[in-house]
Amino acid sequence: GDSVTQMEGPVTLSEEAFLTINCTYTATGYPSLFWYVQYPGEGLQLLLKATKADDKGSNKGFEATYRKETTSFHLEKGSVQVSDSAVYFCALTTYSSASKIIFGSGTRLSIRP
Amino acid sequence: EPEVTQTPSHQVTQMGQEVILRCVPISNHLYFYWYRQILGQKVEFLVSFYNNEISEKSEIFDDQFSVERPDGSNFTLKIRSTKLEDSAMYFCASRELVSSYEQYFGPGTRLTVT
Repeated sequence: GDSVTQMEGPVTLSEEAFLTINCTYTATGYPSLFWYVQYPGEGLQLLLKATKADDKGSNKGFEATYRKETTSFHLEKGSVQVSDSAVYFCALTTYSSASKIIFGSGTRLSIRP
Repeated sequence: EPEVTQTPSHQVTQMGQEVILRCVPISNHLYFYWYRQILGQKVEFLVSFYNNEISEKSEIFDDQFSVERPDGSNFTLKIRSTKLEDSAMYFCASRELVSSYEQYFGPGTRLTVT
């Protein structure tokens, strides 16, 4: 079945460091891809999305490019801030009447001042 | 900006009791979902609901679970006889159209079964 694999955490970086969180997927058909963020004690917020191959999603300095050839959707940010500390979930959905979202296991990111 | 709301934010119940978790989806959305997240684990799909019926459910969604849209605004998840392993954060989500894949999540209800 469809699945998402993302790099294990926790990831700890210093402020202003470059961030990459790897995500690969397995899906039948052509999925839409997402990154969700969960700040401490809060719910899920959509960070960015891409709906077709070569699309780049971006928001708040984060970017991810939908790579069909490598079935990947890696999250990147050039200069992280302490406020970026959160759990990041890579996710996908495929076209169907239900279009449930399938989440990866999440990567906890901690940024040191 | 419209948002999905959920009540209560935290529910504590004893094992074997029934609980009802409530959600108010965004008003013009047509598709509704429940997910759960056991502490420290991934978010898992439970059930999707469209046109007043379940369109898909996961293995987790057994006979102890049910969903209902009792009126034009609320969407509820009922657990008939709670177990300790039902302790989790439960998220409601809604989606607008078939062509829009984006789901909007509520803030979650933390269910603690003692």
